[in-house]
Amino acid sequence: DIQMTQSPSSLSASIGDRVTITCLASQDISKNLNWYQQIPGKAPKLLIYDASNLKTGVPSRFSGSGSVTYFTLTITNLQPEDFATYYCQHYDNVPSITFGQGTRLEIK
Amino acid sequence: EVQLLQSEPEVKKPGESLRISCQASGYSFTMYWVGWVRQMPGKGPECMGFIYPGDSDTRYSPSFQGLVTISADTSVSTVYLQWSSLKASDSAIYYCARMEDYYDFWSAYHKPKNFDHWGQGTLVTVSS
Repeated sequence: DIQMTQSPSSLSASIGDRVTITCLASQDISKNLNWYQQIPGKAPKLLIYDASNLKTGVPSRFSGSGSVTYFTLTITNLQPEDFATYYCQHYDNVPSITFGQGTRLEIK
Repeated sequence: EVQLLQSEPEVKKPGESLRISCQASGYSFTMYWVGWVRQMPGKGPECMGFIYPGDSDTRYSPSFQGLVTISADTSVSTVYLQWSSLKASDSAIYYCARMEDYYDFWSAYHKPKNFDHWGQGTLVTVSS
């Protein structure tokens, strides 16, 4: 199975900051990676698909990059509604679709 | 507007059977994969499997193969997740989600790739 390792597991930041979350795949997954945001008590929400494509309606302060085994999600100019948990998810080995363990973004 | 409406929370005893549902609207039900995702308390999401209602093609993640059954009824645009014998460890929130796909030339197959619209979740509690 392909393992997805996110870092950090938690992160504190202030409104207006820029943060970067990393997702490392245990083997080459090309660009077969997505990013989600989950607010407590809500379902996850797709932000970025295919490593770097912004889903329609998602603010442009979110961006994704990477390929092969190393991927990043960057959020610039943090807003109050961005404080949530973020997950990466690969789809390189369907039907095995795996999420990372999550990165919790908290207000400093 | 794409919507996925899930059934109400359930409280069951170990050994009981259960079927939860996910009714889709706002898109062509037979043309998208629908997946089920488990989220245990304080943990990340886990993909259990998915179904293509157009032809009932169903795939399970290895961790869930044989433990649950996914089915669909196109007459009511609804996907189901069922257990024949629940365990306490099945207690979790279960989400259904529509899945976008891509064409894989090697397998000549439309493979699901992400979960683009989600239901509100169904809390399943299994306790004696």
